[in-house]
Amino acid sequence: GAGVSQTPSNKVTEKGKYVELRCDPISGHTALYWYRQSLGQGPEFLIYFQGTGAADDSGLPNDRFFAVRPEGSVSTLKIQRTERGDSAVYLCASSSTGPPNTEAFFGQGTRLTVV
Amino acid sequence: GIQVEQSPPDLILQEGANSTLRCNFSDSVNNLQWFHQNPWGQLINLFYIPSGTKQNGRLSATTVATERYSLLYISSSQTTDSGVYFCAVIDSGNTPLVFGKGTRLSVIA
Repeated sequence: GAGVSQTPSNKVTEKGKYVELRCDPISGHTALYWYRQSLGQGPEFLIYFQGTGAADDSGLPNDRFFAVRPEGSVSTLKIQRTERGDSAVYLCASSSTGPPNTEAFFGQGTRLTVV
Repeated sequence: GIQVEQSPPDLILQEGANSTLRCNFSDSVNNLQWFHQNPWGQLINLFYIPSGTKQNGRLSATTVATERYSLLYISSSQTTDSGVYFCAVIDSGNTPLVFGKGTRLSVIA
């Protein structure tokens, strides 16, 4: 596609439920990143994929968070047993190669609200 | 990890004014990007500028990697320039982009 696409744009879920957030990167981009942005803060890194594999998952806050990219294109961020503190905007980005010598492009984000 | 500090945190400008936003970082970087987050939350790429100077219309940016800072210049500001400006860097360990807290710019007519 022309840009990074994220679905859904908004997601409201009840505490304790499971959610999946989807990211469709720019066609041909091998690197994909997930970030989380809380109100008034800059985006914080969660996980980075190079192809199908997670090259760096050091930003995942705990084992309730998991992400996959089975075919090296679309990625899904999965959150189990959601908590109110998980409410944030989840941003996905892609780049043509992995860091450092590459420009990252972001999607419009998924706003997750846990009630 | 690397620290990224942006200043000022908030800025209010009259339409037509010029401004300079600063980004300081605590260690060597291999990459630096400036973004504009519009009121709808979209992060828009402004500059990919690990070093040197670039210009794009009313915007320009300079990164002096040896002195660990980057500057974003906005000239003849317009109300559509309002939003949050983020600086993000990749450190020498090549970890993914680390963001500063941003500068919130409000341009009033």
